[in-house]
Amino acid sequence: AQSVTQLGSHVSVSEGALVLLRCNYSSSVPPYLFWYVQYPNQGLQLLLKYTSAATLVKGINGFEAEFKKSETSFHLTKPSAHMSDAAEYFCAVGAYTGRRALTFGSGTRLQVQP
Amino acid sequence: GAGVSQSPSNKVTEKGKDVELRCDPISGHTALYWYRQSLGQGLEFLIYFQGNSAPDKSGLPSDRFSAERTGGSVSTLTIQRTQQEDSAVYLCASSLGPPGSTDTQYFGPGTRLTVL
Repeated sequence: AQSVTQLGSHVSVSEGALVLLRCNYSSSVPPYLFWYVQYPNQGLQLLLKYTSAATLVKGINGFEAEFKKSETSFHLTKPSAHMSDAAEYFCAVGAYTGRRALTFGSGTRLQVQP
Repeated sequence: GAGVSQSPSNKVTEKGKDVELRCDPISGHTALYWYRQSLGQGLEFLIYFQGNSAPDKSGLPSDRFSAERTGGSVSTLTIQRTQQEDSAVYLCASSLGPPGSTDTQYFGPGTRLTVL
């Protein structure tokens, strides 16, 4: 069984500030992990993906995430927030075996203040 | 070429009516997924198709929900006798497949279903 917990349903940062969105997962088998972003009235767009290669994964738009097995975490960061980063962010976990569908967290809405 | 497409983009229906939602996956993708996104919640898995294998229906919430995939391409999600709690955004995703891989799922824009 797998599960994902995203701490903080809403996060607000100032433009230029560090963005940190938290994700903790639970998985009985080696996981692979995703971060997706959803802009209003749009589908989900892939930000980045971890598949057991490098633990620090770089994605689009300056985002990156670090897989920490000991902490079962996959937090998303960006050094400097832009207004265009305002969106909802979803962390998801998948498994190499068993059910193919991803298990998603409940999402974190990021607000960027000018 | 194009990404995953879904139709209609919005659907308003009356309680008790049947609805059909359509998904066109990316050409060449053998895996297709349906998810449901209710207000303020994450995505809930509904059903998964992989090639010609029997679909994984383990996420369907009731027998009012069914889906088919014709010719390994287009998929239709049918909800019979809709209820107000069925109101949600229904998202379709596709991926290259094959089982055991970590292939990325690409999502369509969704169909927003409102049951009055």
